[in-house]
Amino acid sequence: QQQVKQSPQSLIVQKGGISIINCAYENTAFDYFPWYQQFPGKGPALLIAIRPDVSEKKEGRFTISFNKSAKQFSLHIMDSQPGDSATYFCAASKDNDMRFGAGTRLTVKP
Amino acid sequence: NAGVMQNPRHLVRRRGQEARLRCSPMKGHSHVYWYRQLPEEGLKFMVYLQKENIIDESGMPKERFSAEFPKEGPSILRIQQVVRGDSAAYFCASSRSQETQYFGPGTRLLVL
Repeated sequence: QQQVKQSPQSLIVQKGGISIINCAYENTAFDYFPWYQQFPGKGPALLIAIRPDVSEKKEGRFTISFNKSAKQFSLHIMDSQPGDSATYFCAASKDNDMRFGAGTRLTVKP
Repeated sequence: NAGVMQNPRHLVRRRGQEARLRCSPMKGHSHVYWYRQLPEEGLKFMVYLQKENIIDESGMPKERFSAEFPKEGPSILRIQQVVRGDSAAYFCASSRSQETQYFGPGTRLLVL
């Protein structure tokens, strides 16, 4: 049972463009929504996270948009850079039950 | 403040051998989680432990796999009688409370 659906599976963006990754969840009990960034051969690293009491959170070039009624949230990477090329995972959790999306492989072309 | 540590980073085993993967959580963290990641795939939850207790093992295969988090020392994920399908990256994460999980660098298991 896939509780968090992530799209697209892969994404190619030109340097300076906006990267957008979308996630949808099923369990309305989820109350914490982090995004992780993973480089090849490394473990996932927390990038940014949001709670459902706000609709948007911005940290530098990274923004999470959250739509509670639609049970959807998305990651926007502004001014995408080649160094942003990595796999991005969304997740949704309640207490210690965290479910991950399948991941999006982002490639930013110079 | 060291992050989550895992060892070994790479492990090669022949079919039928045992694999032991170790995870030392971040200082002050008492919650440990194990995930498996196959190539080009996402993270699959396996087990969640607190000190000396298994809280949720719903993602753990019923046979050959076990996990522990003793009072002293690292958490151990043990795979007995490994098969080729066990080849994957195994990640450990830890958290202080019921929220943000911090991941280790992973152990890449290759079964020949």
